Amino acid sequence: GENVEQHPSTLSVQEGDSAVIKCTYSDSASNYFPWYKQELGKRPQLIIDIRSNVGEKKDQRIAVTLNKTAKHFSLHITETQPEDSAVYFCAGEQGDKIIFGKGTRLHILP
Amino acid sequence: EPEVTQTPSHQVTQMGQEVILRCVPISNHLYFYWYRQILGQKVEFLVSFYNNEISEKSEIFDDQFSVERPDGSNFTLKIRSTKLEDSAMYFCASSGGRETEAFFGQGTRLTVV
Repeated sequence: GENVEQHPSTLSVQEGDSAVIKCTYSDSASNYFPWYKQELGKRPQLIIDIRSNVGEKKDQRIAVTLNKTAKHFSLHITETQPEDSAVYFCAGEQGDKIIFGKGTRLHILP
Repeated sequence: EPEVTQTPSHQVTQMGQEVILRCVPISNHLYFYWYRQILGQKVEFLVSFYNNEISEKSEIFDDQFSVERPDGSNFTLKIRSTKLEDSAMYFCASSGGRETEAFFGQGTRLTVV
């Protein structure tokens, strides 16, 4: 089955700097890779997703890249702001299930 | 904006008791999911449900667990004979199809004592 590995587990960046979170997946049949943001005590919410027919997708300060050959994908957040502090989960869809990585706790330092 | 709703928000139960967690998915969605999240850990897949039957389940989803869509709007997770290690946040989610956004409910925090 699908296995999604995510790193780092914790990331601290200065406000205004960029943050990068990396994930790898095991199932070459996976075609959909969402990223979720979870604030403390809240539900996971989708921030961006990418399908395997696309190598990169951008939405304002957030971008995701996908290397299907290497089976890895990354989240890039530019010009980080205090409200970006949260736990970020990458995920891969295999069949009718979405498998999550272990999460990255992002701290934005003032 | 339509959203997935879950009840109750918090459930405390005695070990060995049965609990039912309830969810109302977004009305035109076709895929329904249950996930759990032990405090501070990752979101773990339990089960997916499509076309009135389980389509996938994880090894966590053993005979202690069952799901039902009793009336075309509610989607329930039943846990028989709860154990201490079942204590977690349980999230329901729904999506309109494969490779589309799964919307999560606000979760039910289950505490087994």
